[in-house]
Amino acid sequence: QSVLTQPPSASATPGQRVTISCSGSSSNLGINTVSWYQHLPGAAPKLLVYSNILRPSGVPDRFFGSKSGTSASLAITGLQSDDEADYYCATWDDSLNGLVFGGGTKLTVL
Amino acid sequence: EVQLLESGGRSVQPGGSLRLSCAASGFTFRDYAMSWVRLAPGKALEWVSAISGLDSSTYYRDSVKGRFTISRDDSKNTVYLHMNSLRVDDTAVYYCAKDLLAVAGRFDYWGHGTLVTVSS
Repeated sequence: QSVLTQPPSASATPGQRVTISCSGSSSNLGINTVSWYQHLPGAAPKLLVYSNILRPSGVPDRFFGSKSGTSASLAITGLQSDDEADYYCATWDDSLNGLVFGGGTKLTVL
Repeated sequence: EVQLLESGGRSVQPGGSLRLSCAASGFTFRDYAMSWVRLAPGKALEWVSAISGLDSSTYYRDSVKGRFTISRDDSKNTVYLHMNSLRVDDTAVYYCAKDLLAVAGRFDYWGHGTLVTVSS
């Protein structure tokens, strides 16, 4: 059971928009920023969003992060076939004094 | 170019020990926090441990406290994970990750991982 709750799966067709949610609590998302990662099988995870809304250079603006209260979301617009991957949210938890990941969302591009 | 290269993973029996290494290059290593993150078969990413870049403060997830020790050698640009009393549920690919600056889980670079298998 992950401290951060994500839906186990999501799906959409190419070109559509999909949103992945991440729900936490007052000790983590309520007071700390969120990061989002994309993980393709056999590859290293990739940072998509940090500090809630910022994108590292090279990450297209089709990936959009947001946070409100104890919840966060990652939106992907103009879905492409190579967006099919596992997506994880992560943040610091002050009660655990450690980093926590969500359970991951497997995105399928239909 | 930033590179992180993990090594040291192998098959070990329950109760055994391992030392993982992560050799870094392409950035001023001493200035940045580093973490170990693992991915067990069929499971989600799981943060294991972190070490800060300024004062080498260390942080651990509860399940590895007292068994794992993270350390860094800034003269060798290397971070280590000393793993003792290994359990079957420690089986995973272990990734080394660089934080954007301080310990915050904003990992902008990752290694490709090293496989640790704990089995009798």
